[in-house]
Amino acid sequence: KAGVTQTPRYLIKTRGQQVTLSCSPISGHRSVSWYQQTPGQGLQFLFEYFSETQRNKGNFPGRFSGRQFSNSRSEMNVSTLELGDSALYLCASSPEGTGAGELFFGEGSRLTVL
Amino acid sequence: AQSVTQPDIHITVSEGASLELRCNYSYGATPYLFWYVQSPGQGLQLLLKYFSGDTLVQGIKGFEAEFKRSQSSFNLRKPSVHWSDAAEYFCAVGAGQAGTALIFGKGTTLSVSS
Repeated sequence: KAGVTQTPRYLIKTRGQQVTLSCSPISGHRSVSWYQQTPGQGLQFLFEYFSETQRNKGNFPGRFSGRQFSNSRSEMNVSTLELGDSALYLCASSPEGTGAGELFFGEGSRLTVL
Repeated sequence: AQSVTQPDIHITVSEGASLELRCNYSYGATPYLFWYVQSPGQGLQLLLKYFSGDTLVQGIKGFEAEFKRSQSSFNLRKPSVHWSDAAEYFCAVGAGQAGTALIFGKGTTLSVSS
């Protein structure tokens, strides 16, 4: 069974640009969550999608958005990039959703903002 | 508010020695507790989880953890550390409800000396 796949793995952007990250969950998993990982703040929850609906959202500005498609694949978008958005963005999938069970993480997309 | 504290930022253990990583949580009810491990450049992998029942839980790779309600702790242990255990370890708490996010500690980096 294939794991969680995130693309791209690495990318470099400049301030003010926008970026879209993609996540393909494990087959059969309906929940996709996104986390931001930085050395200073650690792992912080961005949002969770379940059956194409955003079910929970963390404390991030509106520049961070996401969506989920009917095949459970998910994308997250960050607009008007700031230097502080440089981070590892991790996607995780689960059959039911966060909080109640195991999350299966991808290897992440490492974003550098110059 | 829910929170997770991992008091040790970095621990070095000799190969073959025992290991204990500390985790304290703050949560109003009985939480769902997790330990994840992250190797360099990788996503997170679940080591073990506690939902209810026996307070000593066994996980993968020879790890175990003990839930102590009176101390609000969920420490991770391993009797004999291998060089391949060098990684970053994260404790996390969830509300046990689908759609709620995991709250992660800041992590403990484990180095293994020969």
